[in-house]
Amino acid sequence: SAVISQKPSRDICQRGTSLTIQCQVDSQVTMMFWYRQQPGQSLTLIATANQGSEATYESGFVIDKFPISRPNLTFSTLTVSNMSPEDSSIYLCSVYLAADTQYFGPGTRLTVL
Amino acid sequence: AQSVTQLDSHVSVSEGTPVLLRCNYSSSYSPSLFWYVQHPNKGLQLLLKYTSAATLVKGINGFEAEFKKSETSFHLTKPSAHMSDAAEYFCAADFNQGGKLIFGQGTELSVKP
Repeated sequence: SAVISQKPSRDICQRGTSLTIQCQVDSQVTMMFWYRQQPGQSLTLIATANQGSEATYESGFVIDKFPISRPNLTFSTLTVSNMSPEDSSIYLCSVYLAADTQYFGPGTRLTVL
Repeated sequence: AQSVTQLDSHVSVSEGTPVLLRCNYSSSYSPSLFWYVQHPNKGLQLLLKYTSAATLVKGINGFEAEFKKSETSFHLTKPSAHMSDAAEYFCAADFNQGGKLIFGQGTELSVKP
């Protein structure tokens, strides 16, 4: 298994500002992902965080809005840029391990006013 | 298009009675399938997974699920519900074996005393 931590656990931000969310894993992993869970909704994949290269974004998500860094095999950041109230969500990172198992971090609960 | 459908948005059972949470997927191929549980204000916890081995999968906390290819289903069951089972349950599929999960809409399970 993997132990995943995220910072901050929650935040309240003003519209137009940006927030960077950190994800730390206790072991080296190849595959890391970022998901969004809007209020009362299911999870939607934002992007795959690739180590040493640009992230791969899913349809509907763009790098300018959600820039992602992956400087090494244990760490990644997701920035939510120029926030609006519609960005209020829980943002979760996850890691994909061998045997087809994916573990999720505790999530970052973001509220945009 | 590949998708995951959870047939019930809300299920209510009495404590000690069986639980059935339904999940169907749409794909030409058999994906890896997962059930996650999310308690209020908590992260996602993996309950069980199917990855082309035994079609009846046993998970944690007495849950199990059966993969039925002919019905493209992966329903979650538990013989006897406990109050602590009250939570949101998500069915997810990895259609490309690459770690990207597509989630169902979620089923809220309520357990009455």
